[in-house]
Amino acid sequence: DAGVIQSPRHEVTEMGQEVTLRCKPISGHNSLFWYRQTMMRGLELLIYFNNNVPIDDSGMPEDRFSAKMPNASFSTLKIQPSEPRDSAVYFCASSLEVVDGTGAEGQYFGPGTRLTVT
Amino acid sequence: DAKTTQPTSMDCAEGRAANLPCNHSTISGNEYVYWYRQIHSQGPQYIIHGLKNNETNEMASLIITEDRKSSTLILPHATLRDTAVYYCIVILQTSGSRLTFGEGTQLTVNP
Repeated sequence: DAGVIQSPRHEVTEMGQEVTLRCKPISGHNSLFWYRQTMMRGLELLIYFNNNVPIDDSGMPEDRFSAKMPNASFSTLKIQPSEPRDSAVYFCASSLEVVDGTGAEGQYFGPGTRLTVT
Repeated sequence: DAKTTQPTSMDCAEGRAANLPCNHSTISGNEYVYWYRQIHSQGPQYIIHGLKNNETNEMASLIITEDRKSSTLILPHATLRDTAVYYCIVILQTSGSRLTFGEGTQLTVNP
């Protein structure tokens, strides 16, 4: 398996522009997570999907951020309009939820998208 | 989620075993111990997890004390590519658990 795939790897945009980040989770995984990481705030969970349904979006900063998962193999995170404070590395991760009592499997992260908003 | 304490940094010689400790004295009965690492400029990488039994996979071994208040991640034959920040996390047995990385341990593998 190729692992979690994210695109683009780098994005530089001007304030006010729309940014769309893309993620393809590992085939067979049923949970998907969007995180962002900055030096100041560390790793923050933005939103979590299970079976393509958003379960926890409490980490989404504000209405400028939106995420979708139209099917099991694709998710997007959109920022509109973007602001300089959105500059960060955005990670997508996927995992397989298990219900047999062995514990949730680890989350497998993509390489990230480094977003710079000027 | 239980708080964890890890040393700030450790060094290890290439080819030797790296033993990374973690204290989690407030862990509750249904919380799991997970280990992740992050190599510079890369995404976090899941390593291993366990509840109370020792676990081993192709990457590492996890030793959890009988009282579950501490654990040790063992990389049996460290290589230069294992240089990374290692995070010990204690979370409930649910998927969707948000990962919160503390300071972690900076492991430097020296030639």
